[in-house]
Amino acid sequence: GAVVSQHPSWVICKSGTSVKIECRSLDFQATTMFWYRQFPKQSLMLMATSNEGSKATYEQGVEKDKFLINHASLTLSTLTVTSAHPEDSSFYICSASGQGLAYTFGSGTRLTVV
Amino acid sequence: AQSVTQLGSHVSVSEGALVLLRCNYSSSVPPYLFWYVQYPNQGLQLLLKYTSAATLVKGINGFEAEFKKSETSFHLTKPTAHMSDAAEYFCAVSENNFNKFYFGSGTKLNVKP
Repeated sequence: GAVVSQHPSWVICKSGTSVKIECRSLDFQATTMFWYRQFPKQSLMLMATSNEGSKATYEQGVEKDKFLINHASLTLSTLTVTSAHPEDSSFYICSASGQGLAYTFGSGTRLTVV
Repeated sequence: AQSVTQLGSHVSVSEGALVLLRCNYSSSVPPYLFWYVQYPNQGLQLLLKYTSAATLVKGINGFEAEFKKSETSFHLTKPTAHMSDAAEYFCAVSENNFNKFYFGSGTKLNVKP
């Protein structure tokens, strides 16, 4: 149990375009999802917390208008990087919790903005 | 406030040797502690977790960790290193199972033949 699927696993986009990353809980209902970002050779930093049906809570320093998070259902949360720039290139990972299950992470998405 | 410090960004051991990866934490509440492993370009795999039960926690792949409140530590060990253990390891702390995680800076483990 507690499988979290993340898609796509990697994506390359042009500067100025938007990219959507999906995070799905496959076998449980995720009331809360977390989005993390990992820069090369660095640790994971929490970007935001999303609760199903509510607005996401962003960590200090994270631009909410740039990183749009939607958690419209109990099995899906999306992160949209709007007007992407090369400095947004990173590894994005989600995790989900709910129904007594937690601490399960997705496989991550490698975003490269060219 | 919670934070995690991992001593040693790189650790190198010989195959068959003991693996010891250090983690110290800071938490204003009784912590939940986790160790994750990350292989290149992959997500995080949970190795083990401490959630206020037994202080010696056994995980997957022969890893174990001991919670020492007096030392605010949660070091990860494995008696015998294998080549397949080469990866990056992250220690994390949380207020509970369902809250956000605070990660350490990671320790890259190299296993020499």
